[in-house]
Amino acid sequence: NAGVTQTPKFRILKIGQSMTLQCTQDMNHNYMYWYRQDPGMGLKLIYYSVGAGITDKGEVPNGYNVSRSTTEDFPLRLELAAPSQTSVYFCASSPSGGYTFGSGTRLTVV
Amino acid sequence: GDSVTQMEGPVTLSEEAFLTINCTYTATGYPSLFWYVQYPGEGLQLLLKATKADDKGSNKGFEATYRKETTSFHLEKGSVQVSDSAVYFCALSGLSGGGADGLTFGKGTHLIIQP
Repeated sequence: NAGVTQTPKFRILKIGQSMTLQCTQDMNHNYMYWYRQDPGMGLKLIYYSVGAGITDKGEVPNGYNVSRSTTEDFPLRLELAAPSQTSVYFCASSPSGGYTFGSGTRLTVV
Repeated sequence: GDSVTQMEGPVTLSEEAFLTINCTYTATGYPSLFWYVQYPGEGLQLLLKATKADDKGSNKGFEATYRKETTSFHLEKGSVQVSDSAVYFCALSGLSGGGADGLTFGKGTHLIIQP
């Protein structure tokens, strides 16, 4: 049972490039989330989804997009990377309360 | 909106010392409260939780009691080990713990245990 799988683990982007952070869960959880973690700032919610086809903005959605075409997958898209998006990104899933986190993607924008 | 405040770190203790990490919260309704632990290079793992007032969550020797009158959920352990060194996050889930709109986290407390 893999839980929540995130890829890639590390990535360096140049300003203006785009990329997709992948997140897959195999627990059939309805709720999925994307957080970013900045040093000394805790985790901030970017986007979340309560089921396939349904997404909503969290606290810090600007510069990001998401989609949820299946229960398992919840990719996060950065269209025009900026240095302010340098962070560690965590995906999480939940049946309803009780979250399982992935191991994170460390992204650097230079 | 909801918020969580936890003590600043790093907190440095000797092995076998008593640990307290303070956490207070502001929320409407009746949130569920959580402590998560993050080891270096890893994601967050649920340490313990409490879903209603006066509940005590416990796991691996850690415990925390949901105190509605003081809006607190302090983490304690009687005797810490070097392996407890990690970053600890206090968090709450609104909507009576249903959690559809995600968790609100504190900034984290870095705990360092010296042998």
